Amino acid sequence: DAGVTQSPTHLIKTRGQHVTLRCSPISGHKSVSWYQQVLGQGPQFIFQYYEKEERGRGNFPDRFSARQFPNYSSELNVNALLLGDSALYLCASSYGSKGGLTSYEQYFGPGTRLTVT
Amino acid sequence: GENVEQHPSTLSVQEGDSAVIKCTYSDSASNYFPWYKQELGKRPQLIIDIRSNVGEKKDQRIAVTLNKTAKHFSLHITETQPEDSAVYFCAASMGSGGYQKVTFGTGTKLQVIP
Repeated sequence: DAGVTQSPTHLIKTRGQHVTLRCSPISGHKSVSWYQQVLGQGPQFIFQYYEKEERGRGNFPDRFSARQFPNYSSELNVNALLLGDSALYLCASSYGSKGGLTSYEQYFGPGTRLTVT
Repeated sequence: GENVEQHPSTLSVQEGDSAVIKCTYSDSASNYFPWYKQELGKRPQLIIDIRSNVGEKKDQRIAVTLNKTAKHFSLHITETQPEDSAVYFCAASMGSGGYQKVTFGTGTKLQVIP
């Protein structure tokens, strides 16, 4: 059974460019969350999507956007890249909620290492 | 918003000793508290978690305690082994009905000395 997958693994971009990162959740999981992890720090919450709707947003500028597709995979888009956007971008999936019961366990993908020069 | 503080930032223990990492959170609405282990260059791995209606949970050498009144929770690792060396993150999560927002602590770098 495959875990959370992310692509690409590494990416180098220039300031001002745009980037799209992709995530496929664990089969059966309906929730995808995106995190930014700067070296030496904990992951910072960017977005959560559940059942294809944005359910939560962290303190990130509007340059960051995301969406979730009918198969529950997700994309994170970052426009007008800045040097400070260099980080490991992590995707985490969880089952979500059914019948009034919520499963909170999140499982992370391997991440995409973004370097902005 | 939620704020999670984690201490210590680094911890060195002798193999076989116990290690304790402590976290505090600010928002009483948080209802789920996971702990992650992250080895260098790898993804965070969920190692244990606790819900707000439980005070303690144990899984082999790892245990987590939660004090809702004081808004703090702790990770206890007994009989530490060199392979326990990693960065450990606590987190506080709030949400329901499919909504979930997770706030992470700043991490504790644990070194187990053989």
